[in-house]
Amino acid sequence: QLQLRESGPGLVKPSETLSLTCTVSGGSISNTNYYYYWGWIRQPPGKGLEWIGTVYYTGSTSYNPSLKSRVTISVDTSKNQFSLKLTSVNAADTAVYYCARAGAVVLSAFDPWGQGTLVTVSS
Amino acid sequence: DIQMTQSPSSLSASVGDRVTITCQASQDISTYLNWYQQKPGKAPKLLIYDASNLETGVPSRFSGSGSGTDFSFTVSSLQPEDIATYYCQQHDNLPLTFGGGTKVEIK
Repeated sequence: QLQLRESGPGLVKPSETLSLTCTVSGGSISNTNYYYYWGWIRQPPGKGLEWIGTVYYTGSTSYNPSLKSRVTISVDTSKNQFSLKLTSVNAADTAVYYCARAGAVVLSAFDPWGQGTLVTVSS
Repeated sequence: DIQMTQSPSSLSASVGDRVTITCQASQDISTYLNWYQQKPGKAPKLLIYDASNLETGVPSRFSGSGSGTDFSFTVSSLQPEDIATYYCQQHDNLPLTFGGGTKVEIK
């Protein structure tokens, strides 16, 4: 059964860089007969869902234009992980950050999701 | 960006009631529409993909329909375990976007 788990600091100072890693278990990001895209989605406390971006096992990425200037998503197939970096964070970046598997194309649903990790931006 | 408008934002219904949520896209998205269930403190779970296809293992009381700009999600007989917030998501074009959510409570 495929499982995803987010990890990283729960507290980040304003203007610094948020860094999270998603570790995939029960399946491989690459080296299979069916390749998927992998994504990051966030949810501010009490609010809705926002797509951050998606990465393919090759390293090809797509980002939300609203965050594109600050976001980098990368993949490490040797560790079966993909990562998120968000620079110059502010209070509006406080959210639960989820990683999830997308489909075989970038335009698809997300399933399954990790449990999520709360990142608070505060000094 | 394609805007997704869900209604209502919240509803209260009795166990056994039929519940319907609507989702309207700001432009034609064919059937590229997914529905998720998010229980309190949990990650979203995919229930329906491509407007009307039930994800494996999801109870048959959940259903979806629609195409173009207007979509609906129905719970045929509301159960206590269905208390959650439901989100629609379009995957017709980037950026991927979600509706604002509908919180379902038991009356």
